[in-house]
Amino acid sequence: EVQLVESGGDLVQPGGSLRLSCAASGFIFSSYDMHWVRQAAGKGLEWVSSIGSAGDTHYPGSVMGRFTISRENAKNSVYLQINSLRAEDTAVYYCAREVGLSYNTFDVWGEGTTVIVSS
Amino acid sequence: DIQMTQSPSSLSASVGDRVTITCRASQTISTYLNWYQHEPGKAPKLLIYASSILQSGVPSRFSGSASGTDFTLTISSLQPEDFATYYCQQSYIIPYSFGQGTKLEIK
Repeated sequence: EVQLVESGGDLVQPGGSLRLSCAASGFIFSSYDMHWVRQAAGKGLEWVSSIGSAGDTHYPGSVMGRFTISRENAKNSVYLQINSLRAEDTAVYYCAREVGLSYNTFDVWGEGTTVIVSS
Repeated sequence: DIQMTQSPSSLSASVGDRVTITCRASQTISTYLNWYQHEPGKAPKLLIYASSILQSGVPSRFSGSASGTDFTLTISSLQPEDFATYYCQQSYIIPYSFGQGTKLEIK
């Protein structure tokens, strides 16, 4: 079964750091681009990072410099390092697989991990 | 960056109704438009990609269409399991962007 499972979400103080993990199974992980998407309470989905199968990374301007996506193909895992956490980073963070040959669609998603930034 | 404007933001409908959700891109995105269904506490689910191609396993009551930079998601006959929030997303160019969502509620 193709599956993505996120972990690492926590209650963190403003200014702190956190590393989220996403474990993949059921497919050849190294062949796929991977993404992180977040949803704040009462808000919509927001794309926050991507990493290609070759390791190229992309971010929106709103998180550039604070978010770092990485992958470890040997462990079938993708990570999101978040530094200098702000209250507005409070959200559920989802990882998603991109099917590059099908219009860059996110065809598999995890159920998310919750990050709360509060003092 | 490309802005995706989705409407309506919420919609009340009954089982059996036909509903349409629209999404407009701020610039051309060809047909790089995807639709997702999201229920609270669950993983978002891909419904349609490339504006009109039904993802495997998705019921045929869901359909998508495109006209220029305007896109529509239609549910032909609402079922109880369809009450959720729907998002469009452009995957034409990074940063990929989503519409603000349409919450479909039971009337």
